[in-house]
Amino acid sequence: GAVVSQHPSRVICKSGTSVKIECRSLDFQATTMFWYRQFPKQSLMLMATSNEGSKATYEQGVEKDKFLINHASLTLSTLTVTSAHPEDSSFYICSASWRGLQFFGPGTRLTVL
Amino acid sequence: QQQVKQSPQSLIVQKGGISIINCAYENTAFDYFPWYQQFPGKGPALLIAIRPDVSEKKEGRFTISFNKSAKQFSLHIMDSQPGDSATYFCAATMNYGGSQGNLIFGKGTKLSVKP
Repeated sequence: GAVVSQHPSRVICKSGTSVKIECRSLDFQATTMFWYRQFPKQSLMLMATSNEGSKATYEQGVEKDKFLINHASLTLSTLTVTSAHPEDSSFYICSASWRGLQFFGPGTRLTVL
Repeated sequence: QQQVKQSPQSLIVQKGGISIINCAYENTAFDYFPWYQQFPGKGPALLIAIRPDVSEKKEGRFTISFNKSAKQFSLHIMDSQPGDSATYFCAATMNYGGSQGNLIFGKGTKLSVKP
């Protein structure tokens, strides 16, 4: 149980385009989901906390207009990277909270050319 | 005060040996300490976790030792295997009645187990 999926697993896009990443809790309902960013050989950096039906809470330094988060249902949260640039290339990971624990998705590798 | 300090940054252990990773924290409000295992290109997976009301928790070859007074906790991997080679992250959070707060991660330890 407590499986979290992400789609796509890898995406390559051109600079200036927008990319949407989906995070789904497959066998449980998650009122809270989290979005992280991870650079190579580094730890996870929390970008935002997403609560179902309300606006996401962004960490300091994370541009909310660039990283749009929608948590429309108890099993789905989406992260849209708008007007992506090469510096946005990274590994994006979501997690979903269930019974006091966080369960992580497999991550999405974004490469912006 | 929100930091979790993890050491060592990297660790090489022979097969069958014991791997030990240490973490320290400052915020005494933290009340939940999970360890995550991450393989390259994958998301972190919860390995084992402990609450501060116990000093040790063991699950198979993995043991967490917790020292509340020293504000330190460590992961011990007994009989380390090459398949254990991964990056390990300690974390801390304030867990409010089932609704988990933000995880504060250590910087990670890359473990390599040599055959």
